[in-house]
This record gives sequence, C-alpha cells and structure tokens, in this order.
Amino acid sequence: QKEVEQDPGPLSVPEGAIVSLNCTYSNSAFQYFMWYRQYSRKGPELLMYTYSSGNKEDGRFTAQVDKSSKYISLFIRDSQPSDSATYLCAMSAGYNQGGKLIFGQGTELSVKP
Amino acid sequence: GAVVSQHPSWVICKSGTSVKIECRSLDFQATTMFWYRQFPKQSLMLMATSNEGSKATYEQGVEKDKFLINHASLTLSTLTVTSAHPEDSSFYICSAQTGLERNIQYFGAGTRLSVL
Repeated sequence: QKEVEQDPGPLSVPEGAIVSLNCTYSNSAFQYFMWYRQYSRKGPELLMYTYSSGNKEDGRFTAQVDKSSKYISLFIRDSQPSDSATYLCAMSAGYNQGGKLIFGQGTELSVKP
Repeated sequence: GAVVSQHPSWVICKSGTSVKIECRSLDFQATTMFWYRQFPKQSLMLMATSNEGSKATYEQGVEKDKFLINHASLTLSTLTVTSAHPEDSSFYICSAQTGLERNIQYFGAGTRLSVL
C-alpha cells in the first residue's frame, strides 16, 4: 500500500464547474499538507499549504484537511481552461523529521471551454 | 513566493558523456535542496537530499557515483549525471526549502535530459 493514494484521473470538466481533488494517506505522522500544480514539462508550483487539520481558502482554491480520516481535498471553483494541469498532493511529517515530501501520483485535470 | 531557477531546461547528450544541472535559489538562502526524477505520467521520485556544506543523502537504489550532487553554497546545488546512458533520460527537478518555511519546498522548472 502506498503512503499516499491519489486517483490519477484523467478528470475532464466543463468550464465553470467545481472541481474536487482528493488524496488519502496512511501515515499519521504527517502534519504538513500541500497541493502543487504541474503543467506539462514544467516543475510543480505550490498552490496551497496547510498545517494540521482545517480549511484554507485562497481565491478560487480551497484546501481541506481531515486528519481523523487521513483525507485531504482541493476544491477549485469556477474552473478555467488555464486550470488544466496535473495536481499533486504532497505531505510531510515536518522538517524535524527529515522534511521529505511524499507525493501522490497526481490527478490530470482537463477543463473544457 | 520563493524563486528557484534550474538550468538548463533541456539537454541532449551522447551516451557516455556527463551532464551538469544547476539549481539556484534566487531570492533566498536554501540550507536544504532536493533532487527528484520524474518519468512520464508518474509522480516525483526523490533521489537525494542536499545540505549546504555536507554530503548529500541519497535514497535507496540511487547510485551515488552516477548522480553526483554538490551543494557548495546556500544558493546553488548541482547534479551531475556521470557517464550518461539512454536509460538516464528523464525529467530532473530540484527543489529548495527556505530558512523560514522549512516545511515547504519550492521547485525549479525542471531539466529534460535526453541521452542518445
């Protein structure tokens, strides 16, 4: 079993739709949770960063962390064609534990005009 | 946000030659940098963790002598693929942590290596 599970998709939605992306994990030591967006042949770009459980909103993006269920989500409102990319969840037990990020497989999203 | 520059973005080389990839933190000092490898349609695979002024820590299965990592300053880490072969062709990405946000990694744009 992988430490972090993420549905690879592909996920195709019409422009304006609400997108829900999810990851589950097994390591209860994870405290830091991130979502990265990666366009084809580019490096990952940090979208959202959350510590422990809770919600965080930034513009059209909302990140949720439920540590009791070991489940994290990223919501994208009013999706745009420019949101078409691969979305990677990543998590860490923290710098004091080595600081390594464990990534999900990535979900490929396509937003159709 | 923190900016990480990676160079070159694409390199083609002949089998048996060595290739050096540079990773620079442009607006912050990075005590720790990471090197990843990514195959098409797959997630990032951590190769090694690089701390300034000390030897890199390699992940299991990564050949130290093949992938030489140097982190000589707080803003520069280099990855040298020695005696490259076609199976080394891949997308290599570096990341860096700032001193203030040690639990976040900022990534470079990646380097596409093609070995003929």
